[in-house]
Amino acid sequence: SQQGEEDPQALSIQEGENATMNCSYKTSINNLQWYRQNSGRGLVHLILIRSNEREKHSGRLRVTLDTSKKSSSLLITASRAADTASYFCATGTGGFKTIFGAGTRLFVKA
Amino acid sequence: GAVVSQHPSWVICKSGTSVKIECRSLDFQATTMFWYRQFPKQSLMLMATSNEGSKATYEQGVEKDKFLINHASLTLSTLTVTSAHPEDSSFYICSARVGTGWEKLFFGSGTQLSVL
Repeated sequence: SQQGEEDPQALSIQEGENATMNCSYKTSINNLQWYRQNSGRGLVHLILIRSNEREKHSGRLRVTLDTSKKSSSLLITASRAADTASYFCATGTGGFKTIFGAGTRLFVKA
Repeated sequence: GAVVSQHPSWVICKSGTSVKIECRSLDFQATTMFWYRQFPKQSLMLMATSNEGSKATYEQGVEKDKFLINHASLTLSTLTVTSAHPEDSSFYICSARVGTGWEKLFFGSGTQLSVL
């Protein structure tokens, strides 16, 4: 089962620009995580934000969480061609399962 | 970080045969592993939760007799696709946590299964 939707489904930007991806979910959560997937590979964990947190930073990544709106956003600043990948939000739910959103495919043009 | 090794990376098989995929935690013990399935350009769908020493917990709509999961040790979980058919062709990914609770997941590199 999928938890929610991500917006946009695909995003194409120039190197150096910022990329913003949004995620909405449906149920109560313990935490929300963002992962990155290069084509045909496994996923790499980027950042985890807990339900009692509103914002978190890690390098060029900034994540916000609004539990009242059941939404989160991932901002990648000063994007690079190497950031080209699919990005998924994932929510921690009951039973310690992690459920993934639909994903955003980001393409950064050099 | 913790390493999860998944093997094979890709497999091509004939319809009706069974295929086993292995998922190993190389430098940590994983009491719980998770198996996901991913179709091209789509998200990961959780298939089942693999628990060491006990039966797997399958998500709704996933046939447990079709997708056999065995978690015989703290470092190895296997997924066997039995009597595979072309519609089973997909990308299968395993993941595991270090410890219990809500820590982040570490993923294997995935297995691309193509059933002819």
